[in-house]
Amino acid sequence: DAKTTQPTSMDCAEGRAANLPCNHSTISGNEYVYWYRQIHSQGPQYIIHGLKNNETNEMASLIITEDRKSSTLILPHATLRDTAVYYCIVGYTGGFKTIFGAGTRLFVKA
Amino acid sequence: EPEVTQTPSHQVTQMGQEVILRCVPISNHLYFYWYRQILGQKVEFLVSFYNNEISEKSEIFDDQFSVERPDGSNFTLKIRSTKLEDSAMYFCASGGSGGAGEQFFGPGTRLTVL
Repeated sequence: DAKTTQPTSMDCAEGRAANLPCNHSTISGNEYVYWYRQIHSQGPQYIIHGLKNNETNEMASLIITEDRKSSTLILPHATLRDTAVYYCIVGYTGGFKTIFGAGTRLFVKA
Repeated sequence: EPEVTQTPSHQVTQMGQEVILRCVPISNHLYFYWYRQILGQKVEFLVSFYNNEISEKSEIFDDQFSVERPDGSNFTLKIRSTKLEDSAMYFCASGGSGGAGEQFFGPGTRLTVL
C-alpha cells in the first residue's frame, strides 16, 4: 500500500497557484519525497523531489515541513495543460520499490 | 532532450502466448524499471533492475515474468504465457544517472490479451 495520503481531487483556476498537499507521516529519515504526474494515459512524468529542504525547478516548487511528515507541491501558475493526476511518493534513491497511490486528480479550469 | 522509448506501442496476443516488450532507456542511466497500469487503475510497480540484476520486485512479478538487458541499450520484459488479466499498459522507466531516484517514463506499450 502507498505510504502517502492525498486528496482525491482538487480544482484550480487557470493562472492561479495550485497547491497539492501530501501526508507521509511514516517517512523514514533517508527517504525522499517524489512528485510525478500522469496526463490522461501517458507515462508518468517526473516533476520534483526533495529530502528535507524546499526545492524549486522550472515546473514546480516542493515545500516539505520541518518534521517531514507532509509536503506541498506548488504549481505557481497553473495552465489547462496541468490537468492531470498528481502522485506523491516516498522512497529511497534508485532502484526502490516505487508505490503509486491513487494520487490527486487536479482539474485546471478556464 | 533524451527520452525513454518503447516498442511496440500496441501489441495484441492470444492467451498462452509469449510476449516481449522492449524499451530503450536513456543512455547513461543506471536504474531500470517496469510498471503496468490496468485500464482505470493505479500504476503498479513490477520490477527494478540495477547492475544487471533485479534489485526489487513486486508480488505481481512472478515466474511468468522476466527482465533482461541483452545489450547496452535495450531493456526487455518477457511474459512467458500471457493471461487475460495481463492486459494493461506497460511502462518502462529509467533513472538514477546521478544516484538520485527520479525516474523517466516511456510512452508505454498497450498489451491486449485475447
